[in-house]
Amino acid sequence: GEDVEQSLFLSVREGDSSVINCTYTDSSSTYLYWYKQEPGAGLQLLTYIFSNMDMKQDQRLTVLLNKKDKHLSLRIADTQTGDSAIYFCAETSDYKLSFGAGTTVTVRA
Amino acid sequence: DSGVTQTPKHLITATGQRVTLRCSPRSGDLSVYWYQQSLDQGLQFLIQYYNGEERAKGNILERFSAQQFPDLHSELNLSSLELGDSALYFCASSPRGGANTGELFFGEGSRLTVL
Repeated sequence: GEDVEQSLFLSVREGDSSVINCTYTDSSSTYLYWYKQEPGAGLQLLTYIFSNMDMKQDQRLTVLLNKKDKHLSLRIADTQTGDSAIYFCAETSDYKLSFGAGTTVTVRA
Repeated sequence: DSGVTQTPKHLITATGQRVTLRCSPRSGDLSVYWYQQSLDQGLQFLIQYYNGEERAKGNILERFSAQQFPDLHSELNLSSLELGDSALYFCASSPRGGANTGELFFGEGSRLTVL
């Protein structure tokens, strides 16, 4: 996704918090999404945030949205080995979801 | 299980050949999306169909074509294959067809290897 940018790799210790950052370009996106891709599987919706919200919390997940800077972040509290995956942020524009390149999160013991 | 079925799961073919990837969307979903995932390009949107009609087009090569049939399944045809076409091809579906897609439900992908 050329219009959505995210860092490619993140290594985190088990039990620590993970923070994945993303910048997007389409200010008209009504929703912004985080998808998770586990090895050998398709993408699965993890969480989303409506564009008029600044923050959304869902169990161990916290999404922060800064519309002024077009910045989206996903925080995973108490990161577990099962959280090892590729995380994609995505914005809706023009009848499609545009994805970032994905952040590979590796959880080490 | 997302409810989206893609076949085949793996495909190995030679340069210059033609392949067809098939997708069955979730029951009741009218929109089908095709994405290409490769190491150097990330997840690229190819094309979207809604209820049989093409709705949006992305970075789809002229060598590639797609269609959605009356029973809502979709096929992605890749012809004159090149080494660079090796990738994971995902199909996704959603009930909506508007500009705001809502949640997409992804299949497990078809891995194409061109030798």
